[in-house]
Amino acid sequence: GEDVEQSLFLSVREGDSSVINCTYTDSSSTYLYWYKQEPGAGLQLLTYIFSNMDMKQDQRLTVLLNKKDKHLSLRIADTQTGDSAIYFCAESDSWGKFQFGAGTQVVVTP
Amino acid sequence: DADVTQTPRNRITKTGKRIMLECSQTKGHDRMYWYRQDPGLGLRLIYYSFDVKDINKGEISDGYSVSRQAQAKFSLSLESAIPNQTALYFCATGAQGAGQETQYFGPGTRLLVL
Repeated sequence: GEDVEQSLFLSVREGDSSVINCTYTDSSSTYLYWYKQEPGAGLQLLTYIFSNMDMKQDQRLTVLLNKKDKHLSLRIADTQTGDSAIYFCAESDSWGKFQFGAGTQVVVTP
Repeated sequence: DADVTQTPRNRITKTGKRIMLECSQTKGHDRMYWYRQDPGLGLRLIYYSFDVKDINKGEISDGYSVSRQAQAKFSLSLESAIPNQTALYFCATGAQGAGQETQYFGPGTRLLVL
């Protein structure tokens, strides 16, 4: 079956860059996503990338996709305390069915 | 006002009870989803609906049923709740655009089954 895997925890100092990694197995994935979940809230879409792209930049966020290795990463530049949250990697196929990873808890320390 | 609302936000129930979790959306989306979130497991899809007449089982549908009463409403029922259904439940809607789908999540319902 399809699997999306992420490390469970990341600690980063305020002002540093954070890199969250994700691997997936479904080669039919058409889009890959990063969602953010703050405490007590639902998931919010941060960014997404089409599977035939290898990079997408959006302000402090950079998404890198290595389709050959099925590896996705999210880099957050100049990490702030407000970036503390759980980050979910997800993939969707052409039918719109989503598969989510377990989430990476990011803790930003002063 | 929130675009995707869930009621109740928190619920405690006993084993064997029937409960219903409700979801409403004002986004006008055809696609709606129910997920459960467990620590270390991420989100797992329970049921999804691509329009009012369409209901599909997800990854973990056993023990659950759904009803799509209208485009804006999608409810999840636990016919006979059991403790391992204790989890955080999310409803989501989906909007397709330019080939990709963005999912919009409700705030979640925290369910405890004793």
